[in-house]
Amino acid sequence: SAVISQKPSRDICQRGTSLTIQCQVDSQVTMMFWYRQQPGQSLTLIATANQGSEATYESGFVIDKFPISRPNLTFSTLTVSNMSPEDSSIYLCSVTGAGGELFFGEGSRLTVL
Amino acid sequence: QKEVEQNSGPLSVPEGAIASLNCTYSDRGSQSFFWYRQYSGKSPELIMFIYSNGDKEDGRFTAQLNKASQYVSLLIRDSQPSDSATYLCAVNNFGNEKLTFGTGTRLTIIP
Repeated sequence: SAVISQKPSRDICQRGTSLTIQCQVDSQVTMMFWYRQQPGQSLTLIATANQGSEATYESGFVIDKFPISRPNLTFSTLTVSNMSPEDSSIYLCSVTGAGGELFFGEGSRLTVL
Repeated sequence: QKEVEQNSGPLSVPEGAIASLNCTYSDRGSQSFFWYRQYSGKSPELIMFIYSNGDKEDGRFTAQLNKASQYVSLLIRDSQPSDSATYLCAVNNFGNEKLTFGTGTRLTIIP
């Protein structure tokens, strides 16, 4: 399984600001996935980050709010823009294993005041 | 209609007993099925995956799949307090690397 490192692990932010979350994988992967887990909820896919092309966003998520970069095959960033308290969540970076399973980073716990 | 459904629980099981976790899915094209365990404050970790109808055993864990009934379950034998966590069911389709997750079942093992 891949080793996935995320940072920051947690942060407290003010309303209206933006935060960029970084995800580093120890091997080259074609696709990286960004999920959100709101308090007490399950995981919701935000977008799929492909190297060399624009990210593919799921219904309800837009690039202006969640811009994603994928500069190479081992790294991606997710920015949460113009944050509101509703953005308080855990943000998870993930990659696919050989059997289609997902492996997750440790997550970035974001609290917006 | 939710694509992947689980009983939210909480499910309480005595230590040493069998815990049974259930999941139903709506897309008949679903091909791969995964069970994750998530401890509070941690990210999900993969427990098992199953692709074919029937049972698949791994230690104390058994995954059961019935595609005709669109049903997948996870049995945990000899439940331990360390099994207390939220269990997430996830499903994807052939050729699609995106997983759809259920809402999770919170399991508590009572010593």
